[in-house]
Order: sequence, then structure tokens, then C-alpha cells
Amino acid sequence: NAGVMQNPRHLVRRRGQEARLRCSPMKGHSHVYWYRQLPEEGLKFMVYLQKENIIDESGMPKERFSAEFPKEGPSILRIQQVVRGDSAAYFCASSPTGFRTGGQPQHFGDGTRLSIL
Amino acid sequence: GIQVEQSPPDLILQEGANSTLRCNFSDSVNNLQWFHQNPWGQLINLFYIPSGTKQNGRLSATTVATERYSLLYISSSQTTDSGVYFCAVPTNFGNEKLTFGTGTRLTIIP
Repeated sequence: NAGVMQNPRHLVRRRGQEARLRCSPMKGHSHVYWYRQLPEEGLKFMVYLQKENIIDESGMPKERFSAEFPKEGPSILRIQQVVRGDSAAYFCASSPTGFRTGGQPQHFGDGTRLSIL
Repeated sequence: GIQVEQSPPDLILQEGANSTLRCNFSDSVNNLQWFHQNPWGQLINLFYIPSGTKQNGRLSATTVATERYSLLYISSSQTTDSGVYFCAVPTNFGNEKLTFGTGTRLTIIP
């Protein structure tokens, strides 16, 4: 399966713990996007990364949230000191190019469901 | 940023019926995607359709970029079509990040 792979599918954390969500883009894709979906809502953009660079993080909360896409390995979305309001589905998407350079669709993974106790 | 509205918000149909879902957006776009989120939460790519018409089996989509809307047609509905349908467009023209619409929840009754 050459699709976008996210793990874990489900993650349970207690308040104050850290959550790490992983995303491996489709083969040949160098652009990664993270979106968050709160219950009964649509997806909201969080951050856009290329290898080793954060391009746009305008949708990321200012504190506790960080993202990276290293030269080797998956993209990681990290949430420190989680709170109940962080409970949501987190989706990762990838594309071979950005809209400006090629106009390619974004392909989405199955998401990680994060539950905070 | 761009505003994206979908209608109707909810739709309940008998199996075998046809339906049309609409996506209106407030500014020019150079890309548009339609997704189906199934009851298990998976997001499935349906169409990448910045303009024109595309067909894939019982589904087809049309985007009229100059009039700022897109339509998704589902013919001969099946229970597996149930779920929420989202359209998404770039937040700003030529931008990479997507703004998702409000969604249409479709329920197909056997």
C-alpha cells in the first residue's frame, strides 16, 4: 500500500502527558500537511512542511504544539502537556508538489484519534 | 481567507435515489477537492476538480470556477455512500493549505 500512513490509529493519553503522532507520506511526496478535526466539525489546517522545513504553521496553536519533517523518517506532530480540548482526529496529507508549483491534490491518511482522559 | 459553504447540511435518502450536493466558495480558486468521510472516520479522495466535469462510476462532479461553485452528483445511492461529504479549496489563491467546507451528512436508508 503506497498511501499516506499514520500511526497510531488511536492514542489515549492522560492530561499532562505528551502525544506523538506520526505520518509517512506517499512515496515520492515531499510536501506534508497536518489538519485537525474536532468532533462534528470539518478539518482545519494546522501546518505545512517540506523536508526539514516548516513552510506555514499559521494554524498551529502557539503553545504545546510542534511539528517536524526530518530528512529521514516520518513527519511528527507533537503535543506536550495535553488537555481535554486536544481530543480530536488528526489527519496528515501529502502531495508531490505544492499548488504553486504543480497543482496536485492532497492525499490523506486515515487519521489518528487522540483521546485525553 | 476564503469561505466555503456546503448545502444541504443533511440529506436522508432511500437506497437507489439520486442526489446533488453543492459547494459554494467566496473567491477564485485554482484547485478543488471532494472527499467522502465514511462512518469509520476515514477520508476518501473522490475528485480533484479545479474546473470542468469528471465522472467515476456512480459519482460525478462539476466545477464552474467563474461562478464559484461545484456540484457532486451521486446516482443510484447505496448504503455504503452514507457519511459526510466535504469539499475543500486553497485558503488563498495559489496557496497550499486547504479550507474545508461545512460538510453534507448523507444517510442512505435501505
